[in-house]
Amino acid sequence: SQKIEQNSEALNIQEGKTATLTCNYTNYSPAYLQWYRQDPGRGPVFLLLIRENEKEKRKERLKVTFDTTLKQSLFHITASQPADSATYLCALDTGRRALTFGSGTRLQVQP
Amino acid sequence: ETGVTQSPTHLIKTRGQQVTLRCSSQSGHNTVSWYQQALGQGPQFIFQYYREEENGRGNFPPRFSGLQFPNYSSELNVNALELDDSALYLCASSLVSGGSDEQYFGPGTRLTVT
Repeated sequence: SQKIEQNSEALNIQEGKTATLTCNYTNYSPAYLQWYRQDPGRGPVFLLLIRENEKEKRKERLKVTFDTTLKQSLFHITASQPADSATYLCALDTGRRALTFGSGTRLQVQP
Repeated sequence: ETGVTQSPTHLIKTRGQQVTLRCSSQSGHNTVSWYQQALGQGPQFIFQYYREEENGRGNFPPRFSGLQFPNYSSELNVNALELDDSALYLCASSLVSGGSDEQYFGPGTRLTVT
């Protein structure tokens, strides 16, 4: 069956460190993969998009990798800050424009 | 803050009733998608409208229906409400391009079915 897996346990890190979040998927062939941030009681906010033929994408302190062989995407936040604390969602776009989301990983950055 | 608004913010309904949720898309966007998000889960795709036509549907029964209007505002209607319909309902607008479309989400409507 099709599955998208993100760490269900919260990730706790110290301010200034790099946070690495994982998104694994099975039985999908996504053309694109997107990452979103969601704060409590609010809608998700788009962060980054990566295509199947791209290995890596960067935006300021954010970096996403996409390995279609491993069926995995890694999301990195460098020099993390308490304001980065939120739930991060990965979403697969199989080319039909409907996004399929993982359940998200909650990141807590301690000052 | 995106330019997507939703109303109402919160809603409490009784099992068996019907509900209509509303969404106003970001200016210039021609596509709206609706998602259901249960507590602790990621959003689940309900359906998408492009230029007033349904353009894709997730695994939701026909009692979930929608409309998109010429001004690109949208409605989600749910008939015969069930307890499991309690969730955060999100709409997201986007501008269809040649590739994947970044979605602009509204703040959501929290529906509670008792």
